Amino acid sequence: DVKVTQSSRYLVKRTGEKVFLECVQDMDHENMFWYRQDPGLGLRLIYFSYDVKMKEKGDIPEGYSVSREKKERFSLILESASTNQTSMYLCASSFRRLGAEAFFGQGTRLTVV
Amino acid sequence: AQTVTQSQPEMSVQEAETVTLSCTYDTSESDYYLFWYKQPPSRQMILVIRQEAYKQQNATENRFSVNFQKAAKSFSLKISDSQLGDAAMYFCAYRRDDKIIFGKGTRLHILP
Repeated sequence: DVKVTQSSRYLVKRTGEKVFLECVQDMDHENMFWYRQDPGLGLRLIYFSYDVKMKEKGDIPEGYSVSREKKERFSLILESASTNQTSMYLCASSFRRLGAEAFFGQGTRLTVV
Repeated sequence: AQTVTQSQPEMSVQEAETVTLSCTYDTSESDYYLFWYKQPPSRQMILVIRQEAYKQQNATENRFSVNFQKAAKSFSLKISDSQLGDAAMYFCAYRRDDKIIFGKGTRLHILP
């Protein structure tokens, strides 16, 4: 079974803190993605990667950065957390083929207070 | 830029009945894939069905089928014989190259 594992299910951080969300996949997938999910807004793409050290901005990259030092790991970084970044964050991975499906982690619910 | 639109935020269907969820998308590409994903309450997102844009034939997976109208850029999901376990958020998604874009989702309620 494909496994995409996010390091935390729930996270509470203070405004201004640097936050790391970690995601690991075990299927040797080239593509990895970070989305945020908010009620009424669906899934919005923050960043994606197609190879080690390669990254591309998605539709809402402001306030976020990413790191992909190893193929299996894709980290989302909030340099200075703000309350408007309170959300559910979903990591996904897939093979780098047009029709490849994405496999998702269980999500991290981040609350910034 | 590609966009995916789901115009029905919520829908309800009686158990054992059929329901259709709508999705439209915008793209200038000719080769791409479309997907429907299901997110059950407090559970992980999983793939329901996929459709290649070059294929005329509509995809089916057991009780799930799609109506793909390429010229109209429409991709609806039909669920037949609805079951309580079908209650979930359903997301339509578009894939071209390395990017996967999702719609806002439709919450489906199943009435016993």
